Amino acid sequence: TQLLKQSPQFLSIQEGENLTVYCNSSSVFSSLQWYRQEPGEGPVLLVTVVTGGEVKKLKRLTFQFGDARKDSSLHITAAQTGDTGLYLCAGGSRTSYDKVIFGPGTSLSVIP
Amino acid sequence: NAGVTQTPKFRILKIGQSMTLQCTQDMNHNYMYWYRQDPGMGLKLIYYSVGAGITDKGEVPNGYNVSRSTTEDFPLRLELAAPSQTSVYFCASNIRVGPQHFGDGTRLSIL
Repeated sequence: TQLLKQSPQFLSIQEGENLTVYCNSSSVFSSLQWYRQEPGEGPVLLVTVVTGGEVKKLKRLTFQFGDARKDSSLHITAAQTGDTGLYLCAGGSRTSYDKVIFGPGTSLSVIP
Repeated sequence: NAGVTQTPKFRILKIGQSMTLQCTQDMNHNYMYWYRQDPGMGLKLIYYSVGAGITDKGEVPNGYNVSRSTTEDFPLRLELAAPSQTSVYFCASNIRVGPQHFGDGTRLSIL
């Protein structure tokens, strides 16, 4: 069974600070996706990484896929209140392209 | 820009009642999914479908049923509601290996 762990589970920071959240597994994934979910809404895709060692930037967000494709990180520079939400990572299965495995999420609160 | 639409948004059921959660998408996606989200547990896959007439079980299918008679619609049926089914339910759709597009969820409480 493929499992994804995310850390930390909760994070509360001041506006302007930097932060990193992590997504780890003992399994290898064909791809890894990061979603952000705001209260009362469904998750929205931020990025997909597919190559080991890949780094993608989305404005102040930097995503990295581990060399072995078992882990990923999301770094936010100069956090803003609009970054508040639940960040979910999801791993694409190497054996079934029809399904992804979701991690439990990191709940981020950015305080003005 | 409707995307994935879920109804109802909220529902309270009594133990043993049945109901159908509706999901429809207007993006002509072949793949559709039902998830439940419990606090601190992430999204668990209940059922999924790769096209009209084809459905398959996910990680937590017990107590649920689905059907897929059209590309657009993928309803989730609870036959005998139990307190353990209290959760937030999300429907999603995509093309194969593409990003999943989610609805805004149905919040279901079973008392």
